[in-house]
Amino acid sequence: KQEVTQIPAALSVPEGENLVLNCSFTDSAIYNLQWFRQDPGKGLTSLLLIQSSQREQTSGRLNASLDKSSGRSTLYIAASQPGDSATYLCAVNSNAGNMLTFGGGTRLMVKP
Amino acid sequence: GAGVSQSPSNKVTEKGKDVELRCDPISGHTALYWYRQSLGQGLEFLIYFQGNSAPDKSGLPSDRFSAERTGGSVSTLTIQRTQQEDSAVYLCASRGTGGNYEQYFGPGTRLTVT
Repeated sequence: KQEVTQIPAALSVPEGENLVLNCSFTDSAIYNLQWFRQDPGKGLTSLLLIQSSQREQTSGRLNASLDKSSGRSTLYIAASQPGDSATYLCAVNSNAGNMLTFGGGTRLMVKP
Repeated sequence: GAGVSQSPSNKVTEKGKDVELRCDPISGHTALYWYRQSLGQGLEFLIYFQGNSAPDKSGLPSDRFSAERTGGSVSTLTIQRTQQEDSAVYLCASRGTGGNYEQYFGPGTRLTVT
């Protein structure tokens, strides 16, 4: 059974810092991995999706990497801003088209 | 077009009552998923519909939970005889037939059982 873990559970940084969020998964036989953002009381917003054959994906100040063999992904946020404050969730798709298995999330606070 | 929509956005019900939660997927999306997000359990898969195939119900926590998808579009999640532990945010997602299998989520329904 796939298990996904995110470290740290919470993170507080001053504005402008670069930061890295970590995600690990137990079964490396994945189809893809998605990073989501969730604001309080809201649904999930997809940030980046990495296919199993890819090493990284970039969108603006966000960069997600994938090391499938070691069961790890990282989300790098450059020049953090207070508007980046949210919970970031990592989710693994282990079988094309089927359900996502989510990590517990990292709650990020960026202080002005 | 519009994204995934869910209704109601909030639902408060008394223990023992039945509730129905609705999901409207993105038009043309063939796959639809229900997930539950609760404080103690994180985000968990409940059920998955793909086209006309039999749904994958492997995540439903008890036989009080059921879901249907009419006409390959709108889905309803029904919880019978609600319990306090059913209190959670219920999220719906849909996916198209594109190759990357990206799921798009709705805003969720917050269910509170008193």
